[in-house]
Amino acid sequence: GAVVSQHPSRVICKSGTSVKIECRSLDFQATTMFWYRQFPKKSLMLMATSNEGSKATYEQGVEKDKFLINHASLTLSTLTVTSAHPEDSSFYICSAPDSNYSYTFGSGTRLTVV
Amino acid sequence: AQKVTQAQTEISVVEKEDVTLDCVYETRDTTYYLFWYKQPPSGELVFLIRRNSFDEQNEISGRYSWNFQKSTSSFNFTITASQVVDSAVYFCALSEAVGGGADGLTFGKGTHLIIQP
Repeated sequence: GAVVSQHPSRVICKSGTSVKIECRSLDFQATTMFWYRQFPKKSLMLMATSNEGSKATYEQGVEKDKFLINHASLTLSTLTVTSAHPEDSSFYICSAPDSNYSYTFGSGTRLTVV
Repeated sequence: AQKVTQAQTEISVVEKEDVTLDCVYETRDTTYYLFWYKQPPSGELVFLIRRNSFDEQNEISGRYSWNFQKSTSSFNFTITASQVVDSAVYFCALSEAVGGGADGLTFGKGTHLIIQP
């Protein structure tokens, strides 16, 4: 079946640095990628939607300058957390709609900013 | 705007008991999709089921079953003869479009299911 490969699975970074998270669709083309954020013991909240070749659409309250999304090809979407701070520590997970009219999720990235 | 409510924050049962996780949704669309996902402590989301708004048939998959009732906007999930491995957080989710022009999922807050041996 469709697979979305997400890397890294876990990252610890210093406050003020930037972190890039990659999601690659394997065996299918992902023209759209959804990015979610999950705080500990909380639900998943949609942050933004990226579409190949166009600007990402951000949900209300999500800072586009802090969470840079690039969807340069049909198989790769990236989320860069810029100038990360401890409050950005969270679980980030991507998802792409696949040809079976369902969603394929990456395995998630646990970001810790110290 | 769509909304998914999982009123049960945490459920704890003893192994082999049956347990039902509730999900109530709100949407203005006539075409929508409902999902259940399992999230073990490792964090990944495990897909359990997808149901479209035109298919109200209940579904059974092994020990898992789902009851979809449009009249009450509910999509409840039952685990029969629960096992310790069923312990996880379970999310109900809603999408108003899938495939071309897909929308992102709206998730409920999740139900933490604890199965005690």
